[in-house]
Amino acid sequence: ETGVTQSPTHLIKTRGQQVTLRCSSQSGHNTVSWYQQALGQGPQFIFQYYREEENGRGNFPPRFSGLQFPNYSSELNVNALELDDSALYLCASSLKTGTPRSEQYFGPGTRLTVT
Amino acid sequence: AQKITQTQPGMFVQEKEAVTLDCTYDTSDPSYGLFWYKQPSSGEMIFLIYQGSYDQQNATEGRYSLNFQKARKSANLVISASQLGDSAMYFCAMRETTGNQFYFGTGTSLTVIP
Repeated sequence: ETGVTQSPTHLIKTRGQQVTLRCSSQSGHNTVSWYQQALGQGPQFIFQYYREEENGRGNFPPRFSGLQFPNYSSELNVNALELDDSALYLCASSLKTGTPRSEQYFGPGTRLTVT
Repeated sequence: AQKITQTQPGMFVQEKEAVTLDCTYDTSDPSYGLFWYKQPSSGEMIFLIYQGSYDQQNATEGRYSLNFQKARKSANLVISASQLGDSAMYFCAMRETTGNQFYFGTGTSLTVIP
């Protein structure tokens, strides 16, 4: 059983640029969630994808967008990067069960630095 | 109001001793789940333990146990027989049935002293 993988590991971008982060979910999982974790903070929910459709969104502007593919892998796209977008971006996959017990498995994260 | 509150930014514990990490939560949903995650310096979030709102017994997973007090809306993590490898950030999280997102606290940094 393969775990959750994310790429790239680290990324440096300039303010105003666009970035795409990638996530491969754990085998058998149909749901992917993305989180932003600023330094010294807890993860903040960006959005969740279930069966290729957005299935919940946190308090993030529209320049944060995503995709989920038929194999349940996912992308997070951020347009018009701002300095405050510098953070660790975590992807988590789970199997949607309709109960709160849906355990999430996290990837190692992508550390984005915006200069 | 914060959904998850962790009031201990940092904690120290002697190796082989037990330590309790505090977590309180806020929800009006009768059905919810509470989770604890460990985050080493490498950044990956590691699932430790789960407690459902309707579970009658406190959850236990090896050296981890959850002191669930529903009326007080608290879900404290107890780590017994601390090991040096337990040094990490610990996050409490909640998922409500009505929503799809996890709410995380700000975390507690645990340092195990030899």
